[in-house]
Amino acid sequence: DAGITQSPRYKITETGRQVTLMCHQTWSHSYMFWYRQDLGHGLRLIYYSAAADITDKGEVPDGYVVSRSKTENFPLTLESATRSQTSVYFCASTETGQGEAFFGQGTRLTVV
Amino acid sequence: GNSVTQMEGPVTLSEEAFLTINCTYTATGYPSLFWYVQYPGEGLQLLLKATKADDKGSNKGFEATYRKETTSFHLEKGSVQVSDSAVYFCALSGETGGGNKLTFGTGTQLKVEL
Repeated sequence: DAGITQSPRYKITETGRQVTLMCHQTWSHSYMFWYRQDLGHGLRLIYYSAAADITDKGEVPDGYVVSRSKTENFPLTLESATRSQTSVYFCASTETGQGEAFFGQGTRLTVV
Repeated sequence: GNSVTQMEGPVTLSEEAFLTINCTYTATGYPSLFWYVQYPGEGLQLLLKATKADDKGSNKGFEATYRKETTSFHLEKGSVQVSDSAVYFCALSGETGGGNKLTFGTGTQLKVEL
């Protein structure tokens, strides 16, 4: 199916564990983004990528790692999860960076 | 850097009431402006957009006009419905030295009651 999909939809992990959130898009959009959504903060940009093998930090990158070896995939890794990383994570993609962004359904991550 | 400020919620209205959600922005150059909507349990989806000054974006009865002189992009709807209950995000997309990316406001929750 065409679109942008995130997995898993829900994840509970323990403090200190490594966890990877997956994002896959079928449009071959150049730009992909990871946001976290927290009450009172709206959406904050974690990392973004303008093309395969090109990534850059957003507003809140600490504690996260990304890679983009293929245009369609943009995984987000929490190297050592902390409770402050409990959040809802959204992946998005756009063709040009200026146009409409398409969002996945989100991953609700709880760190205990 | 770029920033977006929108009115805090929650906003509670009766069905058929008039809606305004204020949004102002700070940006260099000529950003594109967007309103996104998030229904419960879902991701964000584009509601409307405007790419240059004085453009009016519209969709599903919602409207917003790109006002460069006041750096605003207020969302309006003449008659809201219960089905409009959602969180609304104002956003801009513009060059920030690190490539184009979207900057969002904090979101405004709208609740429409019968």
